[in-house]
Amino acid sequence: DVKVTQSSRYLVKRTGEKVFLECVQDMDHENMFWYRQDPGLGLRLIYFSYDVKMKEKGDIPEGYSVSREKKERFSLILESASTNQTSMYLCASTKERTSTGELFFGEGSRLTVL
Amino acid sequence: GQQLNQSPQSMFIQEGEDVSMNCTSSSIFNTWLWYKQDPGEGPVLLIALYKAGELTSNGRLTAQFGITRKDSFLNISASIPSDVGIYFCAGNTGANSKLTFGKGITLSVRP
Repeated sequence: DVKVTQSSRYLVKRTGEKVFLECVQDMDHENMFWYRQDPGLGLRLIYFSYDVKMKEKGDIPEGYSVSREKKERFSLILESASTNQTSMYLCASTKERTSTGELFFGEGSRLTVL
Repeated sequence: GQQLNQSPQSMFIQEGEDVSMNCTSSSIFNTWLWYKQDPGEGPVLLIALYKAGELTSNGRLTAQFGITRKDSFLNISASIPSDVGIYFCAGNTGANSKLTFGKGITLSVRP
């Protein structure tokens, strides 16, 4: 079975702190995604990556950056956390660029920014 | 941008009842998918639909890809308490693996 592992289930940070959310997948998937989930807003795509060192902006990239130095690892970075970035963050992967969208999700990282 | 409409935001049913959820769009999609998110977990794929008119079952779940390619429905029969969760529809245009998600429906099942 595909496993997508997010490094932290729960984080509490202070406004202005730099935050790293790590995601690792173990099935050699090419594509990796970061979403945030907020009540009433569903899942919104922040950034995605089709290959190592490659990234593309999703629908809400402002305030975030990403890093993909290795195929299996995709990191989401909040350079200076703000309270409006309090949310559930979900990492996902899928096998190929032309996949029909069958994403495998991690368990999520719930971030609270005070 | 593309949007998928799911409503209502919440549904409350009695254990044993059937429930149906719709997802509509103003855009055409080539693939429709339904995901379920258990409390405290990430979403898990329930059913994927690849062809207009396709009807697919997975246990007590049945989903259909609308003929117009602008809608899909998911039906859950004989609901049980573990059906509780958030149900998301998602669509893919086929250009890449980027999905558009609906806002989700939170299902509660009363024993």
